[in-house]
Amino acid sequence: EVQVLESGGGLVQPGGSLRLSCAASGFTFSSFAMTWVRQAPGKGLEWVSAITASGASTYYAASVKGRFTISRDNSRNTLYLQMNSLRADDTAIYYCAKGRTTVVVFFDSWGQGTLVSVSS
Amino acid sequence: DIQMTQSPSTLSASVGDRVTITCRASQSINDWVAWYQQKPGKAPKLLIYEISTLESGVPSRFSGSGSGTQFTLTISSLQPDDFATYYCQQYNSYSLTFGGGTKVEIK
Repeated sequence: EVQVLESGGGLVQPGGSLRLSCAASGFTFSSFAMTWVRQAPGKGLEWVSAITASGASTYYAASVKGRFTISRDNSRNTLYLQMNSLRADDTAIYYCAKGRTTVVVFFDSWGQGTLVSVSS
Repeated sequence: DIQMTQSPSTLSASVGDRVTITCRASQSINDWVAWYQQKPGKAPKLLIYEISTLESGVPSRFSGSGSGTQFTLTISSLQPDDFATYYCQQYNSYSLTFGGGTKVEIK
């Protein structure tokens, strides 16, 4: 069974940093692109960042570019999101999701999310 | 970035109704659109990709259509399990975008 499990969320002060992790199982992690998508309280889905299967290419939403870094460790079946210079409007549930192919397209398996709260 | 405009934002319907949700892209996205369903407190679930390809296990009452910049998700006969929020997503460019969502409520 395909599973992705996010961790690392929590309460952080504005300007602070946090690293999210996403542990994958039940599929060949190194063969699929992965993504982070967030959802602010009561709001819709917002794509944050994506990475190809090999990790060679990464993509970011304009709202996080220069502050967030996506990476993956294919030997550990784990996806990461390093978040720096956090702002109040970064407060959201952050979902990790598996892509259908090696490149970034749509996403067929999602985790349950981890909550990031940015507040003083 | 490509903008995805969904309409309506809220839709009230009854069990058995035919429901149509529209997503308009700010530029052509060819066939590269997917639809997701999200229930409160749950992760999104993939329903349809490449305009009209039904994901495995998704009931056949769901269908997708469209081309270019206008796309439609149709539920042919609304069931109690279908009351949820639906999102479109374009993957024509590497700056992915979602529509704003359509909440399907019980009338």
